[in-house]
Amino acid sequence: DVKVTQSSRYLVKRTGEKVFLECVQDMDHENMFWYRQDPGLGLRLIYFSYDVKMKEKGDIPEGYSVSREKKERFSLILESASTNQTSMYLCASIRRLADYNEQFFGPGTRLTVL
Amino acid sequence: SQQGEEDPQALSIQEGENATMNCSYKTSINNLQWYRQNSGRGLVHLILIRSNEREKHSGRLRVTLDTSKKSSSLLITASRAADTASYFCATDEAGYSTLTFGKGTMLLVSP
Repeated sequence: DVKVTQSSRYLVKRTGEKVFLECVQDMDHENMFWYRQDPGLGLRLIYFSYDVKMKEKGDIPEGYSVSREKKERFSLILESASTNQTSMYLCASIRRLADYNEQFFGPGTRLTVL
Repeated sequence: SQQGEEDPQALSIQEGENATMNCSYKTSINNLQWYRQNSGRGLVHLILIRSNEREKHSGRLRVTLDTSKKSSSLLITASRAADTASYFCATDEAGYSTLTFGKGTMLLVSP
């Protein structure tokens, strides 16, 4: 079974703090993603990466950065956390098959910024 | 990015009843997938239907796809309390390396 793990289930940080959210997948997937999920807004893509050291902006990259130093690990960084970044953060990786992509999600990190 | 839209936003039924959720999208797609999310957890892949397919079954799940109307439906038959979750459609568009998710339908199945 594919496993996508996230470093924390719940996190509470203060405004202005630097926050690291870590994601690890164990199936050698090349593509990894970070989403945030908010009530009424669904999943919104923040950043994704299609290879080590490669990254692409998603729909809402402002206030975030990412790091992909190793294939299995994709980190989301909040340089200076703000209250509007309080959200559920979901990491995912994609298995690419012949004609479709299937996403595997981690359990999520619920981040509260005070 | 284009986004699928699920309808209804919320659905409340009794155990044993059928639940139907709909998804509309805007662009041409390679395939459409349905995912399920239990409260406070990540999403789990349920079923995929390719653009050249019209109907697919998996256990109590039945998915239809109408590419002319750019819509899909997910039917859960004989629902159980354990089916209580949010359900999302996701479109896989030609030329894109990401899936695009809708906002989800929240299903509540009461015993």
